[in-house]
Amino acid sequence: DGGITQSPKYLFRKEGQNVTLSCEQNLNHDAMYWYRQDPGQGLRLIYYSQIVNDFQKGDIAEGYSVSREKKESFPLTVTSAQKNPTAFYLCASSIWQGSNQPQHFGDGTRLSIL
Amino acid sequence: AQTVTQSQPEMSVQEAETVTLSCTYDTSESDYYLFWYKQPPSRQMILVIRQEAYKQQNATENRFSVNFQKAAKSFSLKISDSQLGDAAMYFCASRAGGYQKVTFGTGTKLQVIP
Repeated sequence: DGGITQSPKYLFRKEGQNVTLSCEQNLNHDAMYWYRQDPGQGLRLIYYSQIVNDFQKGDIAEGYSVSREKKESFPLTVTSAQKNPTAFYLCASSIWQGSNQPQHFGDGTRLSIL
Repeated sequence: AQTVTQSQPEMSVQEAETVTLSCTYDTSESDYYLFWYKQPPSRQMILVIRQEAYKQQNATENRFSVNFQKAAKSFSLKISDSQLGDAAMYFCASRAGGYQKVTFGTGTKLQVIP
């Protein structure tokens, strides 16, 4: 079955450490997204990518970086510059053409500080 | 810029009864799309229903329907014959036509009472 796979499910970061969250999709979707979810704040967009080798900052990109070297993959790196990284991170994808197309989401990664 | 507001942080409904979740939005675009997503305790986001702004007819998906009031910029979700499995966080979202960015509300936590 097609879908989005996020790994790991749980991740712990030490102070000053960069960590990378994986997101892979086999839906042949062009667009991919990373969201951060905090209690009471809904989903906030970190980065999104419309096509391979191209990506745009979302609303809260500071302290994060991404790459899009392959259509299926959109990893997110939480850098040491992100001072409050504890949150639930969701990856999503959608068809590029047609804004009425919904996003498909992965199961998420919960990141915590050690 | 788009904004989405969900003014009900929590709602409850008796099993088999009907409940309405509120959502208002603001956009300067004439072409846009609206969505309701469900996030159960498993944390996976699932599309419930979508509405194209150019369509006057309200969308319906089985027990789920929307009341789309374009002039009032209101997009409420009605759940009929509520079931225990409907208990979840519900997020309202909007997407401007031609753009990939989706804006989410802060969510409404729905409790279903047996």
